[in-house]
Amino acid sequence: DAMVIQNPRYQVTQFGKPVTLSCSQTLNHNVMYWYQQKSSQAPKLLFHYYDKDFNNEADTPDNFQSRRPNTSFCFLDIRSPGLGDAAMYLCATSRVRGQVGGGVYEQYFGPGTRLTVT
Amino acid sequence: GQNIDQPTEMTATEGAIVQINCTYQTSGFNGLFWYQQHAGEAPTFLSYNVLDGLEEKGRFSSFLSRSKGYSYLLLKELQMKDSASYLCAVREGAAGNKLTFGGGTRVLVKP
Repeated sequence: DAMVIQNPRYQVTQFGKPVTLSCSQTLNHNVMYWYQQKSSQAPKLLFHYYDKDFNNEADTPDNFQSRRPNTSFCFLDIRSPGLGDAAMYLCATSRVRGQVGGGVYEQYFGPGTRLTVT
Repeated sequence: GQNIDQPTEMTATEGAIVQINCTYQTSGFNGLFWYQQHAGEAPTFLSYNVLDGLEEKGRFSSFLSRSKGYSYLLLKELQMKDSASYLCAVREGAAGNKLTFGGGTRVLVKP
């Protein structure tokens, strides 16, 4: 059973045309993450939500926005995609750590959306 | 900030053992994860270390030395399906669950 679902798996958009990627989860995890991964590189965290609390990484471009309307869904909006934004976008979820030193709380990843910008 | 280093690529023979090293520099270390990622697919969780020592899970083992900022992932009895990238990731801080990933080590298993 799919636990972290991303749609679409492949997305083609035009330079400058806004695009939205979606992620849903059936795990009821309170944390959701968006990563950008370019070919043969490490996943790079863009931002994450702890419940409805949005946390942006300092080096995430303003071109990238996110919405989390409820626990299950999270969206990544790219307002004006450039050629350099072509990448795999990975959504992940985890239970938050409740206290110092507690638990593994590994992140569960979705299959990713491969974005092509033409 | 964090700096995580791992070799770019390793090649090994089916049935052999391969050790993937990861070194890191961080403040507030709070756990190290290993993920496996097949080409074009999502990372999947393999192992977690927060205390020094060896964690064994079937054919895979992971070791951590916090004083040396060092971990390794050991893959035994290699199979062709083990050909993948292996990502080392460090969690930092007492609260929250943000991970910083290394660049990954691509392992190629040959017959």
